Amino acid sequence: QKEVEQDPGPLSVPEGAIVSLNCTYSNSAFQYFMWYRQYSRKGPELLMYTYSSGNKEDGRFTAQVDKSSKYISLFIRDSQPSDSATYLCAMRVTGGGNKLTFGTGTQLKVEL
Amino acid sequence: KAGVTQTPRYLIKTRGQQVTLSCSPISGHRSVSWYQQTPGQGLQFLFEYFSETQRNKGNFPGRFSGRQFSNSRSEMNVSTLELGDSALYLCASSRSDGGGSYEQYFGPGTRLTVT
Repeated sequence: QKEVEQDPGPLSVPEGAIVSLNCTYSNSAFQYFMWYRQYSRKGPELLMYTYSSGNKEDGRFTAQVDKSSKYISLFIRDSQPSDSATYLCAMRVTGGGNKLTFGTGTQLKVEL
Repeated sequence: KAGVTQTPRYLIKTRGQQVTLSCSPISGHRSVSWYQQTPGQGLQFLFEYFSETQRNKGNFPGRFSGRQFSNSRSEMNVSTLELGDSALYLCASSRSDGGGSYEQYFGPGTRLTVT
């Protein structure tokens, strides 16, 4: 079993929809949680970065972390065709350097 | 401020050869991490360097090695290439050694094809 599980999709939604992306994890030592967006043939781009449990909002994006359930989410409001990409969750422990453990990524397509 | 740069962007090599990839971190960042991304395995951590010292190593064979220079630029080397080494190799830089809440930023990657 992988340390971080993520539904690979693909997920197809109409423009303007609210998108919910999720990851579960098994290592309770993870303290830092990230969401990256990756367009085809590009490097991952950092979207959201959170520490421990709680919510964080940035424009149309909201990240949620529930450490008691070992579950993290990314919500995208008013989705746009330009949001079509692969979304990767990543996490790391405290004091373990910068090693990130990634989910497999969810492929999202926002259709007109 | 310039982002993380990686060279070359594309590379085609033959089985048995060796290859060296280069990564220049964001100015002021002293940590460089390397990842391999394949369709089957996703993003997997190779190793991390901070102030010229390897701090972390992933579960890859010894054919994969790296180093970091005093200006924080990093190189990774893969010797005796195998077909399965075909992948996108990404590097990420961070200001921190992982002890605080600092983000990591990725470069565009080097796409290696082994034939």
